[in-house]
Amino acid sequence: KAGVTQTPRYLIKTRGQQVTLSCSPISGHRSVSWYQQTPGQGLQFLFEYFSETQRNKGNFPGRFSGRQFSNSRSEMNVSTLELGDSALYLCASIPGQGAREQFFGPGTRLTVL
Amino acid sequence: GENVEQHPSTLSVQEGDSAVIKCTYSDSASNYFPWYKQELGKGPQLIIDIRSNVGEKKDQRIAVTLNKTAKHFSLHITETQPEDSAVYFCAATTGTGGTSYGKLTFGQGTILTVHP
Repeated sequence: KAGVTQTPRYLIKTRGQQVTLSCSPISGHRSVSWYQQTPGQGLQFLFEYFSETQRNKGNFPGRFSGRQFSNSRSEMNVSTLELGDSALYLCASIPGQGAREQFFGPGTRLTVL
Repeated sequence: GENVEQHPSTLSVQEGDSAVIKCTYSDSASNYFPWYKQELGKGPQLIIDIRSNVGEKKDQRIAVTLNKTAKHFSLHITETQPEDSAVYFCAATTGTGGTSYGKLTFGQGTILTVHP
């Protein structure tokens, strides 16, 4: 079974630009969560999607948004990038209601210059 | 909201020794506690987890214990090997599945180094 796929793996942007990151969960998994990982703040929850609906959202500004498609693939978008948005963005695949395990992808390394 | 504290931040052991990493959580409603191993350049890998209705769980050289009264849980690695060297994260969630499973609150991480 293929694992979680995240694209692109690396991205360099400049301040003020916007970026879209993509995540394909494990086949058959219906829920996706997104996390931001930085050396200073560690791993922080961004949002969770199940059946195209956002079920939970972390404490991030409105510049961070996401969505999930009918095939369970998910995207997250960051608008008006700031230097502090430089981070590893991780997507986790969750089988669905009743399952607790979260399986992470390799992440997208975003650098904002 | 939930807060998870993890100690120590770094741990250095000799091959064959045991390693113990401890976490405390603040929300008594937390009911699921996974542990992740993250190697350089990779995403976190789930290595073991425990639910709030269980006190201990073991998988080969890895075990996790949970003390709900004290609100702490620990990861135990026995017979450590150099390939165990990585960053380990504990996490907790209050998710019940009805509204969310996805919001994990993570500890700050422990850098484990196993010397041959």
